[in-house]
This record gives sequence, structure tokens and C-alpha cells, in this order.
Amino acid sequence: NAGVTQTPKFRVLKTGQSMTLLCAQDMNHEYMYWYRQDPGMGLRLIHYSVGEGTTAKGEVPDGYNVSRLKKQNFLLGLESAAPSQTSVYFCASSYSPYLGADNEQFFGPGTRLTVL
Amino acid sequence: AQKITQTQPGMFVQEKEAVTLDCTYDTSDPSYGLFWYKQPSSGEMIFLIYQGSYDQQNATEGRYSLNFQKARKSANLVISASQLGDSAMYFCAILNSNSGYALNFGKGTSLLVTP
Repeated sequence: NAGVTQTPKFRVLKTGQSMTLLCAQDMNHEYMYWYRQDPGMGLRLIHYSVGEGTTAKGEVPDGYNVSRLKKQNFLLGLESAAPSQTSVYFCASSYSPYLGADNEQFFGPGTRLTVL
Repeated sequence: AQKITQTQPGMFVQEKEAVTLDCTYDTSDPSYGLFWYKQPSSGEMIFLIYQGSYDQQNATEGRYSLNFQKARKSANLVISASQLGDSAMYFCAILNSNSGYALNFGKGTSLLVTP
């Protein structure tokens, strides 16, 4: 039971390049999330998904796209990377949408992305 | 919209002492949930404790407890008998019912436990 995994762990891009971050979970969770963490800040929501085939925008969606073709995978794409997208990216998943400790979000280890 | 405020950027505590990390929140939801996560220097996010707005008692998990004061909209984390391994960033977060129950995080408090 691997929990939430993220690929890759580190990446350096040049401005204008594209890439895809992969998040996978083996807990059969419906809800998945992408956050970014910048120095001195908490995590901010980029996009989220409430089930296979669904996606929605979060607080800071500009410059990112996502897809949830399979329940266990949530992909985050950067079409044309910018230095402002240098950040640590976390994927998370949760089982229940309802209030309660069951709605604990399980986080992946993070991807550290640098855009030059 | 939900908002979390953590006013202590950094805190120091001596080993074996107790420490309180502050968290205030703002929400218009009648029911809501509050989480605390720990982020050590290795970077992973570790769930510590959950408090529901209608829970009858303040949450406790081992050495972690919540001082939940609903009228004041505060949910302070109390760590008892601090250990060196408690040195980390601590984030308070609230469930956002408008964004698929994602978490709105505060900016965090950096805790350093000294010998």
C-alpha cells in the first residue's frame, strides 16, 4: 500500500517548456487535489477533482491544466512554464467529502520544480 | 470564504515543555472541520489532529490536543512534553466546502525545540 505517490520528485525546466506531474493513489479515494507551496506560505489549491472524469479550478489555476482519466491518477500539466511556477507541488487525496476525521487528506511527498 | 490565520511565524520551546501554536479562522459555513498538519524539514505533510465544529469535546491525539474555542473562532494546537523531533512547520487548515472539501491553509508556524 504505497499511499499517494508523485512523479518526478525533482525537475528543472527552462521558461516555455512543458511538463506533466503524475499523482497516483492506491486507496480508492474519490477526491484528489493539487496544491503548490511557496516559501513562507501555506499550501494553495491549484485544481481538484471529485471523481474520475471531473476537474475544477482552485485558488491559483492559471498556467496549469489537469486531467483525471482514471480514478487513481491525477495529472497536473504546465503547458508553458514560467519562473513564477517555481514551487513545491503536492498532490493529496481523500476518501470522504463529509466532515470528520475520515476526510483526512493524504499527501504525496511533493515535487520540487524549478523554472529557469 | 474560509480563511486561516497563524500569527506566530516562529516559536521556541525547551524539550519536555508544553507549547501552544495559535490558529484563528473565519468561515461562513455552519458546520466545518479544522486540521493540523506537521511538515518536518524533509518536506512531507503529516496529519496530526482533526476538530469538527460540532464535536462535543476538544480533540486529543497522544501528545497533541486542540484548545477549540468556537465563539472566538480559534483552534490552538497544544503539544505537551515537547521532543526534539517536534521541530517542524505546523499548519492549521480548514475544509473548504466550496472547493471539493479541499483545505485552506494558514501560513504556518515554525517550531524549534531546544535541548
